[in-house]
Amino acid sequence: SQQGEEDPQALSIQEGENATMNCSYKTSINNLQWYRQNSGRGLVHLILIRSNEREKHSGRLRVTLDTSKKSSSLLITASRAADTASYFCATGGGNKLTFGTGTQLKVEL
Amino acid sequence: DSGVTQTPKHLITATGQRVTLRCSPRSGDLSVYWYQQSLDQGLQFLIQYYNGEERAKGNILERFSAQQFPDLHSELNLSSLELGDSALYFCASSPQVREDTQYFGPGTRLTVL
Repeated sequence: SQQGEEDPQALSIQEGENATMNCSYKTSINNLQWYRQNSGRGLVHLILIRSNEREKHSGRLRVTLDTSKKSSSLLITASRAADTASYFCATGGGNKLTFGTGTQLKVEL
Repeated sequence: DSGVTQTPKHLITATGQRVTLRCSPRSGDLSVYWYQQSLDQGLQFLIQYYNGEERAKGNILERFSAQQFPDLHSELNLSSLELGDSALYFCASSPQVREDTQYFGPGTRLTVL
């Protein structure tokens, strides 16, 4: 079963624009992570935000977490064609990760 | 490159058959996790091994089994295959049993005809 739902399911933007994708989850969490998957390949860990953090930055990535609303957002600034991929939020950690449904991002030249 | 390797990359087989997927974790990682990704179920956790012992079980069918060997590589065995078992199977690893971040391999794409 999926822990998280991501919104939108698909997003198409022009290179240089910002991309925002959202994740909602159901149960209490210790942390939330974002992963990227390029076209049916392995997942790459992007960033982890703990439940006591509200915002975290890593390069062009900005993640926010609102535990009261059980939601998180991932912002990619100044997007590039190479950012085209599916993005998943994941909760849990430890023994297992529970993934959201994913957002397919397409960045066009 | 995460350092996790999986073989084979692609596997095409028939219903009723049995296959074995192999995973080598990153050097030094003791935990191995198996996930299944399909169009209808999304990414689902199957099972975790830590230093040779099973530590957690998810939505793994009875027809599926796994093990982790003394050299820490792991194998996922899928038997009596059905069309619905067609999916991407990922292995991930982490240093300890309760690490937050997992490092994923490139996956094995299984097609059951």
